[in-house]
Amino acid sequence: GAGVSQTPSNKVTEKGKYVELRCDPISGHTALYWYRQSLGQGPEFLIYFQGTGAADDSGLPNDRFFAVRPEGSVSTLKIQRTERGDSAVYLCASSPTGVGAGELFFGEGSRLTVL
Amino acid sequence: DQQVKQNSPSLSVQEGRISILNCDYTNSMFDYFLWYKKYPAEGPTFLISISSIKDKNEDGRFTVFLNKSAKHLSLHIVPSQPGDSAVYFCAASDYGQNFVFGPGTRLSVLP
Repeated sequence: GAGVSQTPSNKVTEKGKYVELRCDPISGHTALYWYRQSLGQGPEFLIYFQGTGAADDSGLPNDRFFAVRPEGSVSTLKIQRTERGDSAVYLCASSPTGVGAGELFFGEGSRLTVL
Repeated sequence: DQQVKQNSPSLSVQEGRISILNCDYTNSMFDYFLWYKKYPAEGPTFLISISSIKDKNEDGRFTVFLNKSAKHLSLHIVPSQPGDSAVYFCAASDYGQNFVFGPGTRLSVLP
């Protein structure tokens, strides 16, 4: 499709396990963002890529969270030693030229549940 | 400490009437503002934006007003339609940084 694609749409895991969430942005979009949304709250910034490099990773909560975008297109958010507090919807968004140049185009999100 | 606030968690409006959603921000460096709409089980979708050099931007039934001195913006929807029922997020950025989102306001348009 032409939109931002995220997989899996739902992931249930046990505390302590490792999880990967994938984002396929809109073709040609150079900027890619990861947000996390907990119930009743707005999207919370995690990390922003411009091309292959992380331009701002100040939102990553701790070193259990890591994200890569090796070829400047698909990105993977990796969570090690998951905790129950990591349960949330993880949203990916892309933008043609980065912050300030226009809006973000969001995927439908990956709902992570840590039991 | 929330930089973007939406103090009304919910709002109910009669179909055909005006809906006014409010947003306040604390960071004076913010100079670009957006509104997003979110339906259940979907990602947020862009609605309308405004740059700090303007005080109003209109797109069809949607108008965003910005009051920089008060650090306040609002989204007006008129006339409201049942399909407008969704959660509305206000977001702000200073060019070159990330977008900061508010907690959202759930709008219900009653037929």
